[in-house]
Amino acid sequence: AQSVTQLDSHVSVSEGTPVLLRCNYSSSYSPSLFWYVQHPNKGLQLLLKYTSAATLVKGINGFEAEFKKSETSFHLTKPSAHMSDAAEYFCVVSGYSGNTPLVFGKGTRLSVIA
Amino acid sequence: DAGVIQSPRHEVTEMGQEVTLRCKPISGHNSLFWYRQTMMRGLELLIYFNNNVPIDDSGMPEDRFSAKMPNASFSTLKIQPSEPRDSAVYFCASSLTRGNYGYTFGSGTRLTVV
Repeated sequence: AQSVTQLDSHVSVSEGTPVLLRCNYSSSYSPSLFWYVQHPNKGLQLLLKYTSAATLVKGINGFEAEFKKSETSFHLTKPSAHMSDAAEYFCVVSGYSGNTPLVFGKGTRLSVIA
Repeated sequence: DAGVIQSPRHEVTEMGQEVTLRCKPISGHNSLFWYRQTMMRGLELLIYFNNNVPIDDSGMPEDRFSAKMPNASFSTLKIQPSEPRDSAVYFCASSLTRGNYGYTFGSGTRLTVV
C-alpha cells in the first residue's frame, strides 16, 4: 500500500536559515511524489512534483526536493527561509494505480522566526 | 484558467439545516475530489468521481452526507441535517484521471454549524 510519513509535525527556523522538511514514503511501484503548501486560511497549492524524471526537482519560491529511492525519501529543502514560507506543508504519494487517489501525509507546520 | 471554484467561501448555519457546497472543476479535468479538513482529524478524503461517476464514497462520514456530479463542470456536497461536528473547511480538488499530474485545489468553504 502507498503511504507517506512526515517525520516532523512542526519545524521552526530563523529567517535566512535553511529549511528541511522530511518525508519518507512507501510504495509498491515507482511512485509520483508531490509537496503541497497551505498558507493560513488558504487552499492547498502544488509546490513541486516528481514523476520519474530528474531526481532533483525544483519548485516554486526557491524550494526543491530530492527523490532518493534507496532511502525512500523525498525531503523538501530551501537554502534560506523567508517569513512568507510559514505554512503547513504536505508530502503526497500517488495511489497504487493512476486512477486511485493521492495519499497525503499528516503535514508539517513550518514556523519562521524573525 | 480560473482554477477550481468553490462556493460559498463561508457558511454559517444552524444545527438541523441543510447545507449545500458547490464546486466547479477545471475544464478538461475528469476527476473530482471532496475533502474535509479539521484541526483534530487533518485532511480527509470524503468522496471522488471519475468522469462524473462516484468511485469511492467510503470517506463520507454518515448518511447525512451526499455528493453529486450531474455534469463535468459541477459538483455538490450536501449535508442534511447539519450538526455542529460538521464544522470544518471543505475542499474540492480536480485533476486529470491519471493522478500523477497532481490535484488543483479550490480555496475551500469554511462551514460553521451552530
